[in-house]
Amino acid sequence: NAGVTQTPKFRILKIGQSMTLQCTQDMNHNYMYWYRQDPGMGLKLIYYSVGAGITDKGEVPNGYNVSRSTTEDFPLRLELAAPSQTSVYFCASSYIAGELFFGEGSRLTVL
Amino acid sequence: GQNIDQPTEMTATEGAIVQINCTYQTSGFNGLFWYQQHAGEAPTFLSYNVLDGLEEKGRFSSFLSRSKGYSYLLLKELQMKDSASYLCAVRDNYGQNFVFGPGTRLSVLP
Repeated sequence: NAGVTQTPKFRILKIGQSMTLQCTQDMNHNYMYWYRQDPGMGLKLIYYSVGAGITDKGEVPNGYNVSRSTTEDFPLRLELAAPSQTSVYFCASSYIAGELFFGEGSRLTVL
Repeated sequence: GQNIDQPTEMTATEGAIVQINCTYQTSGFNGLFWYQQHAGEAPTFLSYNVLDGLEEKGRFSSFLSRSKGYSYLLLKELQMKDSASYLCAVRDNYGQNFVFGPGTRLSVLP
């Protein structure tokens, strides 16, 4: 059972470039989340989704976009990358009222 | 507002017991979660409290007092592999959002 799969695991971007972080889960979870974690810090919620076609902003949504066309997939789009977006990004999913299951993380550097 | 506090760092000795505290002030509450995160890895679920009291899971126990906005994670018989960050997280009233604390980095020394 794969759980939550994120790609890519590592990426270096130049300022102003765009990219998409992919996230797929095979547990049939309704809820999916994108968090970022800066060094030595906790997790900050970027966007979340409670089901296909439904997304909502979290604490730090600026500079990001998401879509949820299927239950399984929840890609995160970075437009016009900035150095402040250098971070580790975690995708997570859960059942309603359940604990979070995390992907392995995507380490992004913007130079 | 949302505010969750934890000590930044703790050190303990192999075989000992350590208690990691978490205090929270959130606009809603629907459960408190503890996660373990080893350096360079993803967080993994440890325990969950929604009612007051103690939940025990092997060497790990977690306690909750909703009236005091307080929880702790108790780790017994510490092992070197317990060296990690421990994240406290509160789920909101609608069960949709999790707010995380800054994490406590625990070092277990021989």
